[in-house]
Amino acid sequence: DSGVTQTPKHLITATGQRVTLRCSPRSGDLSVYWYQQSLDQGLQFLIQYYNGEERAKGNILERFSAQQFPDLHSELNLSSLELGDSALYFCASSPRGPSGNTIYFGEGSWLTVV
Amino acid sequence: AQTVTQSQPEMSVQEAETVTLSCTYDTSENNYYLFWYKQPPSRQMILVIRQEAYKQQNATENRFSVNFQKAAKSFSLKISDSQLGDTAMYFCAFMKHSGGGADGLTFGKGTHLIIQP
Repeated sequence: DSGVTQTPKHLITATGQRVTLRCSPRSGDLSVYWYQQSLDQGLQFLIQYYNGEERAKGNILERFSAQQFPDLHSELNLSSLELGDSALYFCASSPRGPSGNTIYFGEGSWLTVV
Repeated sequence: AQTVTQSQPEMSVQEAETVTLSCTYDTSENNYYLFWYKQPPSRQMILVIRQEAYKQQNATENRFSVNFQKAAKSFSLKISDSQLGDTAMYFCAFMKHSGGGADGLTFGKGTHLIIQP
């Protein structure tokens, strides 16, 4: 158990809909990351937040957005969903300081768009 | 931008054998970290081993060790005395050192390792 908690674990929704994925980082970790893993694109970095502020952006679509709240949990919002958005979405966190260079992953949220 | 290449899509070895997974990367950074992550059928991403680029000594974690060749930009993973539970996808990953904390990971496409009984 990495200590990173993601909900829901599985989600099935229809095209055009909007979903929210939630993540609680490890206790004390300030950085939160979102990754997408799909069959054709592999593992892709979407976005990073550090202590509530956006830190780095990867291949995140404009239809997707994220935020990190004062209690450090994070949400990834996916809207106008398309079939191609079906994937495993990982949240990960890392600590601050000398150990802040190792990223720990949650178990992922499986999103199926039908 | 960084790239990570894993040239072996799939490997299969017998239980108790030693296996080496290859990884090369391309970067203009001088300070960075390299990782191997394991993804078993449960799909969870599990950190196997980490290497700091400024350290010449190769990292070791029990049966797992790396051969880090900075000049060649090579970072291979050796698994000794392989076990059935080692069957998984293995991802090599790069992260640049950003000073104020961690940064995003760049992953290779993975190697599917199968341990045969």
